[in-house]
Amino acid sequence: EVQLVESGGGLVQPGRSLRLSCAASGFTFDDYAMHWVRQVPGKGLEWVSGISWNGGSIDYGDSVKGRFNISRDNAKNSLHLQMNSLRADDTALYYCIKGVGAARRDGMDVWGQGTTVTVSS
Amino acid sequence: QSVLTQPPSASGTPGQRVTISCSGSSSNIGSNTVNWYQQLPGAAPKLLIYSNDQRPSGVPDRFSGSKSGTSASLAISGLQSEDEADYYCAAWHDSLNGHVFGTGTKVTVL
Repeated sequence: EVQLVESGGGLVQPGRSLRLSCAASGFTFDDYAMHWVRQVPGKGLEWVSGISWNGGSIDYGDSVKGRFNISRDNAKNSLHLQMNSLRADDTALYYCIKGVGAARRDGMDVWGQGTTVTVSS
Repeated sequence: QSVLTQPPSASGTPGQRVTISCSGSSSNIGSNTVNWYQQLPGAAPKLLIYSNDQRPSGVPDRFSGSKSGTSASLAISGLQSEDEADYYCAAWHDSLNGHVFGTGTKVTVL
C-alpha cells in the first residue's frame, strides 16, 4: 500500500523558515515524480512544486518561486520542501503527493494526510 | 490562483446523474490530460479520474470523465449520499510549467 507521511509543519513567524518532509513507502520511490500541494482550510487546492523522478526537473508555483525549494532523497525515500521568507498567506495544509509517472507533468495520484503550516507573529 | 473554471455547486437526488464542467484553455486542458479529484469532508483529496477518462482501481464505474477541446467533464451517475464532497479538476499548464486546479465544485445530495 502506498503511504505518504508528512511532517515538519508548525507555527512560525513571518520571515522565518520551515522545512517539510514526506516519508514515502509502498512503491518504488525513484520511479515517480513527487509534488507538494497546499490548501487553505475551506478553500481550493494550489499546486506548490513538483520534482521529477531523479530531481533533474523542478518547477514552482508563481506564489512561492524564489522562496521555496523542493528536493528529494531517493536513497531514503523522502521528499522535502524548504520554505524560506514565509508570509501569512503561506498558511495552509501542505500535502505530499505521488506522481502518476516519472515526469512532473504526468499528474498526481496518491495524497498524504498533510501537515499544517501557520505563519503568524 | 485557479486557472480552471468549475461551477461552485451541483446537486441531485439519490440515483440521479450529475455533471461537473471544467473549463480551461489551449495551454492546459487543450494540450494535456485532465485528472479529477474527490475530497470528502475532513479528508485528503483522492484521485477519481486520470488521463481524461480512466478510473483507478477501486473507483466505482458510476464516475466517468470526458474531454473535448479546452473543456472536461465529470459525470456521476446513480448519485449516492457518500458522493457528497468537493470535486476538483486539474491539468498541466504548458506556459506556467506547473499543474493548475479547478475552482472546485461542491456536490450535494438532496
